[in-house]
Amino acid sequence: KQEVTQIPAALSVPEGENLVLNCSFTDSAIYNLQWFRQDPGKGLTSLLLIQSSQREQTSGRLNASLDKSSGRSTLYIAASQPGDSATYLCAVRQSKAAGNKLTFGGGTRVLVKP
Amino acid sequence: NAGVMQNPRHLVRRRGQEARLRCSPMKGHSHVYWYRQLPEEGLKFMVYLQKENIIDESGMPKERFSAEFPKEGPSILRIQQVVRGDSAAYFCASSPQKGNSPLHFGNGTRLTVT
Repeated sequence: KQEVTQIPAALSVPEGENLVLNCSFTDSAIYNLQWFRQDPGKGLTSLLLIQSSQREQTSGRLNASLDKSSGRSTLYIAASQPGDSATYLCAVRQSKAAGNKLTFGGGTRVLVKP
Repeated sequence: NAGVMQNPRHLVRRRGQEARLRCSPMKGHSHVYWYRQLPEEGLKFMVYLQKENIIDESGMPKERFSAEFPKEGPSILRIQQVVRGDSAAYFCASSPQKGNSPLHFGNGTRLTVT
């Protein structure tokens, strides 16, 4: 059974510092991995999706890497801003046949202080 | 293009009542997923539906919970005889097809059972 873990559970950094968020998963036979952002009282916004055949994906200040063999993904956010404060969730999709049935980590709550 | 619409945003029910949660997927999306976020826990998959079909309900509690996605109208998650432990945020998400498209989430329905 797939288990997804995110460490740390919470992170506080001063504005301008780079953020590094970690995600690990126990079953490396995944189809893809997604990173989401969740603001308080809101739904999830998809940030990046990495296919199992890819090593990384980039969008603006965000970069996500995937090391399938070791069961790890890292989300980097460069030059953090107060607006980046949110909870970041990673989720894995096990197979194409499973549709978007995702297994989520517990999230990392990020606070960027001005 | 409107996003995934969920209503109501907040729902209060007394123990023993029924709760009905509605979800209209994004235009053009034919796959709907329901996830539950219990207090202090991560998001957990509940059910995956296509129009008039339940594809995967492996995350649904065996009793009192049911879901449908009729040919016309929104998807409905129904909880009969609610108990305090059902208090949670229920999120609906949709995608256009089974492929590699990321999920689009609604803002959730926050159910409180008193």
